[in-house]
Parts: sequence; structure tokens; C-alpha cells
Amino acid sequence: GAGVSQSPSNKVTEKGKDVELRCDPISGHTALYWYRQSLGQGLEFLIYFQGNSAPDKSGLPSDRFSAERTGGSVSTLTIQRTQQEDSAVYLCASSRDRDYEQYFGPGTRLTVT
Amino acid sequence: GESVGLHLPTLSVQEGDNSIINCAYSNSASDYFIWYKQESGKGPQFIIDIRSNMDKRQGQRVTVLLNKTVKHLSLQIAATQPGDSAVYFCAENREGNRSTLTFGKGTMLLVSP
Repeated sequence: GAGVSQSPSNKVTEKGKDVELRCDPISGHTALYWYRQSLGQGLEFLIYFQGNSAPDKSGLPSDRFSAERTGGSVSTLTIQRTQQEDSAVYLCASSRDRDYEQYFGPGTRLTVT
Repeated sequence: GESVGLHLPTLSVQEGDNSIINCAYSNSASDYFIWYKQESGKGPQFIIDIRSNMDKRQGQRVTVLLNKTVKHLSLQIAATQPGDSAVYFCAENREGNRSTLTFGKGTMLLVSP
């Protein structure tokens, strides 16, 4: 079946602009995660959605970052007033439920100029 | 905890050799560990996992060893192939926060034919 998909695959934006990154999880997966991966670094947890529960936003680095998940499926990560340090690959993952294996999408490479 | 570096540690091996990739974790409360493989331009891919009530688990050509005494995790790849070339990450799940993973910085494995 289809895996996790993300769009766009690449995004170049000017400093100060807002960007939206999209994640389509695997159908039926109730848990969805966003991570950020900077060059040569491990993955940094950003936010986690589980079903209809309030999301765990503990990893969001600033109030410029927000995410929503509509209808328990598609998720959008929004970065407002982008800064150069926001440049990274943003990865989305989904899992059947909490405590199950996470399947990752290919990521969106964000470059802020 | 793990040191933060700008350059990934790299392990270079010849095709057919056995590879051992190591990971140290800092939280003794972590009770679930996963190894991921990430090829260039792709999201991380699950390889194998282990729970803290085990000290060894084997998969196809891979073995994960867990030493809770020294908080050390290793991934052994038998008969390494060029297709194994990738960055390998260990990840831990911390007690009380089972749904989010904390990732290590990664090790690059380079396999020469």
C-alpha cells in the first residue's frame, strides 16, 4: 500500500515568509509525528498527534511553529516568519497507534534564503 | 549524554565484512530502542527494535545488542553489502513518553565493493 507522503519535496523561501508543509499519513494510522533534521544531525521531535487527543507540542522550537491535523488524517506544519535557522529537512511519520512502529515519509527540504 | 558534533562518525568497511555500529543513550528509564537506516534523500526506515527486558534480538542479517548496565546499544550487520551504505540512527523511547522517540546523531556506514 501507499506509504507516508509529503509535499512539497523541496521548498525555497525568503526569510520572513510563511510556509506550509503537508503530510499524508498511511491510511488508518491514528498517530502522526513531525520531526526536523538539520544537516548532519539526528531527528528532532516537533509535535505528535494521536487520534482526537490534544497534540503533544512539547518539541516545537518557537511560537512561529504550529501544526494541525484535519479529520484525523492529513497534517500541515506551518512556519511563520521563517528564519535561516529553520532550514532543514522536515520529516513526517505515522504509526498504527501509539507504541507501534513509525513509518517515515521522504521529507520536505526547506531552504530559507 | 551524547556529544553533539557537526560531522557524523563514519564506519568504512569492505563488502562481506561484518559491521558494528554503536550508540550510547543517556536515560536509564528508556525501555524501548530502535535502529533506523536512512539512505540519502529518503526518510528513516525501521530496521530492528528491542525492549529493555531483552539483551539481544536477531533479524535477517542484523542483530541488536543492549547493555543496560552501561547504557549501550549496538547494531551488527553480517556480510555487509554496498546497499547497506546509509546513515544509521538509534532511537529511544522514554518511560512516560512512549509515543515519541529521541534520536541519536547517527553513524554513516560506507561499504566498498
